[in-house]
Amino acid sequence: DGGITQSPKYLFRKEGQNVTLSCEQNLNHDAMYWYRQDPGQGLRLIYYSQIVNDFQKGDIAEGYSVSREKKESFPLTVTSAQKNPTAFYLCASSIDPPGRVSGANVLTFGAGSRLTVL
Amino acid sequence: DQQVKQNSPSLSVQEGRISILNCDYTNSMFDYFLWYKKYPAEGPTFLISISSIKDKNEDGRFTVFLNKSAKHLSLHIVPSQPGDSAVYFCAASASGNTGKLIFGQGTTLQVKP
Repeated sequence: DGGITQSPKYLFRKEGQNVTLSCEQNLNHDAMYWYRQDPGQGLRLIYYSQIVNDFQKGDIAEGYSVSREKKESFPLTVTSAQKNPTAFYLCASSIDPPGRVSGANVLTFGAGSRLTVL
Repeated sequence: DQQVKQNSPSLSVQEGRISILNCDYTNSMFDYFLWYKKYPAEGPTFLISISSIKDKNEDGRFTVFLNKSAKHLSLHIVPSQPGDSAVYFCAASASGNTGKLIFGQGTTLQVKP
């Protein structure tokens, strides 16, 4: 079955530690995204990548970093500089990279990773 | 600056009745609108979309209506079923804006048996 796998599902971190969330997709999608969900705030875009070795900041990129060395993988690192890291993190991918979308840009989401900072 | 707003945090309806979820937006450059459904501890799943050149799109029990002049869209679910109980997100994108989706805050729908 094609899909997006996020790991770990739950993660606890001490303040001052960096943590990396994994996102792997086997949908052969070009574009990948990281969103963050907080209560009452919907989903906010952290980073996105249209192609391998390229990525762009979203609306709330501060304190986060990403890499896109392979088409299938888009890991997110939550650094100690992120002031409020406790949240539910969602990875997504889409078949058309932004800019070549001929219709609605339908994102497929993973199951999410819940990060709690102790 | 909240470009996509869902002003009702929650909605409760009886099984078999109509559920109407609302969404407002401010950016007139949005050309596609999407609805996603999300269960707790899971990722959102795509439900239905509509292009800005249309005013209605229907898929089974789900219909989305778009009123461009009012910058308002709504999702109708008829008839509502208990399995529809979830959080519903409205999202929008603009072709010239890399296609990234801007999401609303979400509305929690509870369908009572």
